[in-house]
Amino acid sequence: AQSVAQPEDQVNVAEGNPLTVKCTYSVSGNPYLFWYVQYPNRGLQFLLKYITGDNLVKGSYGFEAEFNKSQTSFHLKKPSALVSDSALYFCAVRDPVAGGYQKVTFGIGTKLQVIP
Amino acid sequence: DTGVSQNPRHKITKRGQNVTFRCDPISEHNRLYWYRQTLGQGPEFLTYFQNEAQLEKSRLLSDRFSAERPKGSFSTLEIQRTEQGDSAMYLCASSTYAGGAETQYFGPGTRLLVL
Repeated sequence: AQSVAQPEDQVNVAEGNPLTVKCTYSVSGNPYLFWYVQYPNRGLQFLLKYITGDNLVKGSYGFEAEFNKSQTSFHLKKPSALVSDSALYFCAVRDPVAGGYQKVTFGIGTKLQVIP
Repeated sequence: DTGVSQNPRHKITKRGQNVTFRCDPISEHNRLYWYRQTLGQGPEFLTYFQNEAQLEKSRLLSDRFSAERPKGSFSTLEIQRTEQGDSAMYLCASSTYAGGAETQYFGPGTRLLVL
């Protein structure tokens, strides 16, 4: 079964500093990995995804994520945090090898707080 | 804005009542998904449609829950005899087929409170 873990409930970072939101996954094959952001009382917004190829994936709003197969990780990063980045971030995984409908499994989310 | 829309955005109901939510996906998307999100959790998969066919249902979807997508466009999610444990955010997402790598685009959600 596929799973994803976000080990930090909350990440605090000062505005202008680099940020990292951690994600690790478990699948039987090579994963498809996604990051979404959720603002209060809103749906999820897609940030980026890894399917294959370059391990560094660039996405929306200056975010990027690095796929590390040996560490089964897909950490979200941004070189310089903005106060407006404060939100809930979800990592998600899909196992393309699994049969039937390829369900996406979401982590429990990490709250990012950017301090002015 | 031609994104995914959901109605109503908020619903308060009394225990035992029936509720129905609607989702309008992005027009060219043939896949539609329903999720439930409770406080402090990520979205949990409920069910999935490809066109009008409901192809997968989660064990979370008890017999009080039913979803339809009659013409392969909009979808409805009905909860009968609501219980307080049904209080949650119900999210709808849509996508087009991309060999398993498709991106799901989410609506704003319907927040249900069962009193």
